[in-house]
Amino acid sequence: AQSVTQPDIHITVSEGASLELRCNYSYGATPYLFWYVQSPGQGLQLLLKYFSGDTLVQGIKGFEAEFKRSQSSFNLRKPSVHWSDAAEYFCAVGAGTASKLTFGTGTRLQVTL
Amino acid sequence: DAGVTQSPTHLIKTRGQQVTLRCSPKSGHDTVSWYQQALGQGPQFIFQYYEEEERQRGNFPDRFSGHQFPNYSSELNVNALLLGDSALYLCASRIWATQETQYFGPGTRLLVL
Repeated sequence: AQSVTQPDIHITVSEGASLELRCNYSYGATPYLFWYVQSPGQGLQLLLKYFSGDTLVQGIKGFEAEFKRSQSSFNLRKPSVHWSDAAEYFCAVGAGTASKLTFGTGTRLQVTL
Repeated sequence: DAGVTQSPTHLIKTRGQQVTLRCSPKSGHDTVSWYQQALGQGPQFIFQYYEEEERQRGNFPDRFSGHQFPNYSSELNVNALLLGDSALYLCASRIWATQETQYFGPGTRLLVL
């Protein structure tokens, strides 16, 4: 069965500082990996996705993520955080774009000014 | 181009009642998935509909049922509501035959008293 672990429930960073959100997955084959962001009262917005190819993927809003098969990880990074990045971030894994997604429990990001 | 829309935005029901939630997919999309997001948790897959048939189902009881209409819109029905059914219900849509990822709606917040 596929699963996702986001070990950090809550992270606080200062505006302008760098950010890394951790994600570890369990899946028997090549996974399809996603990062979504959810602002309060909103649905999920796709930040980036990995299917195959280059293990460093670029997303919207200046985010990037690196797929490391040996560590079963897909960590999300941003070099300089903006106050508007404060939100809940979810990592998800799927067998393909057509299949169901399994989400982690999320990491709440707080940005201090 | 309208994205995924859901109605109602908020709903309050009492235990034992039945509820119907509605979803209109993004223009051009033919596949709809439903997710339940309990407070403080990541979304959990309920089921997916394509060509008016349930194609995949998550680990949810038969109290949860769905329907897809010829115009690709969808309904989620929950019978015999329990307090634990209180959650944000998210609808996501995509095009079945492509590798395009799914787009999420803003959700319906259901409170069961």
